[in-house]
Amino acid sequence: QQPVQSPQAVILREGEDAVINCSSSKALYSVHWYRQKHGEAPVFLMILLKGGEQKGHEKISASFNEKKQQSSLYLTASQLSYSGTYFCGTGGSGNTGKLIFGQGTTLQVKP
Amino acid sequence: NAGVMQNPRHLVRRRGQEARLRCSPMKGHSHVYWYRQLPEEGLKFMVYLQKENIIDESGMPKERFSAEFPKEGPSILRIQQVVRGDSAAYFCASSPWGDTEAFFGQGTRLTVV
Repeated sequence: QQPVQSPQAVILREGEDAVINCSSSKALYSVHWYRQKHGEAPVFLMILLKGGEQKGHEKISASFNEKKQQSSLYLTASQLSYSGTYFCGTGGSGNTGKLIFGQGTTLQVKP
Repeated sequence: NAGVMQNPRHLVRRRGQEARLRCSPMKGHSHVYWYRQLPEEGLKFMVYLQKENIIDESGMPKERFSAEFPKEGPSILRIQQVVRGDSAAYFCASSPWGDTEAFFGQGTRLTVV
């Protein structure tokens, strides 16, 4: 089953914060976050492999709650370059690397 | 270290023709994944391959689509007798092993006319 992302779209002013959620109806073994700009390849942001783990990447961080089967991506003090579509991809058991992606959250940061 | 290389970047085919999409993974990566993305939609898993083996093809349509990753050379996604509904961006990703970060190529945008 495809994970569900919320919200579907966000509009921010530079410097504002945002949270993007990713929920699954199945047990999560890993969560991968990517950002894709229009017409470009998805760019890897981070991977979370353990429940409760939090990782950071510049002003972008993420948490993974294994019990709740969800992950959240936190963008603080957003910059214009953060604009794009964010996808979470969930990995199953078996260490295969195959990802099932959510439908995406479109983020637009305005000056 | 070059990234994941896909070619061609753009491919136009008439209905009924064959499309061949190539993917060279990053150096040292032996796991390759193919995803399809329709306009304004998410990425749909198609197939997962390691050298000379198809590990998971649960996302591949049963007919007309095939994939390979030979011992030498790039991975190939082949679509026979293309139809308009095959028009999409096809992305390849690679990783050094399973369930670690995967890096995407720039994609091949297939247009069927």
